[in-house]
Amino acid sequence: DAMVIQNPRYQVTQFGKPVTLSCSQTLNHNVMYWYQQKSSQAPKLLFHYYDKDFNNEADTPDNFQSRRPNTSFCFLDIRSPGLGDAAMYLCATSRPGLSETQYFGPGTRLLVL
Amino acid sequence: GQNIDQPTEMTATEGAIVQINCTYQTSGFNGLFWYQQHAGEAPTFLSYNVLDGLEEKGRFSSFLSRSKGYSYLLLKELQMKDSASYLCAVHDTPLVFGKGTRLSVIA
Repeated sequence: DAMVIQNPRYQVTQFGKPVTLSCSQTLNHNVMYWYQQKSSQAPKLLFHYYDKDFNNEADTPDNFQSRRPNTSFCFLDIRSPGLGDAAMYLCATSRPGLSETQYFGPGTRLLVL
Repeated sequence: GQNIDQPTEMTATEGAIVQINCTYQTSGFNGLFWYQQHAGEAPTFLSYNVLDGLEEKGRFSSFLSRSKGYSYLLLKELQMKDSASYLCAVHDTPLVFGKGTRLSVIA
């Protein structure tokens, strides 16, 4: 089945220790997104790729970086995680078009100790 | 600016009908989505409206009025498994999400 996969599902890191979250997709969608979602809040878009074109949201901290080495994979790097970065990180994909429905992966829950 | 409002919480009885409202003010509009999100899980797509009117899909229906900046999600024959958060999202390149409405279905 075509899908969006995120690994790991749960990630524990230490304050200030770099961490990388990964996302892969078999949908062959051009666009990939990274969202941060904290408890009882809306998903907050961090950045997205349209093919290889990177689009950073204005209020995304510099601490967050992303890489998309090919169509199928996208990574979220948090260079120096703080306690406030503990959240669910959601990867989504879409195909450009009329609706651009986004399909989400299961998410990675990040805990910062 | 961009603003999407939906009630924070709702409670309804199993077998009943519930309507979750969403009002929006965004700089652009290319359609409105409803997503369902169970606790600790990713959002899953429910519906998409781009034209005014009602879209029906099984037990779920979604309505849009672009002139009023208003949408609702209607859930019929509620089941316990419908207990989840329901997110309204406006396609304004990119997607702008509301905070979600947490629905509790009780017996």
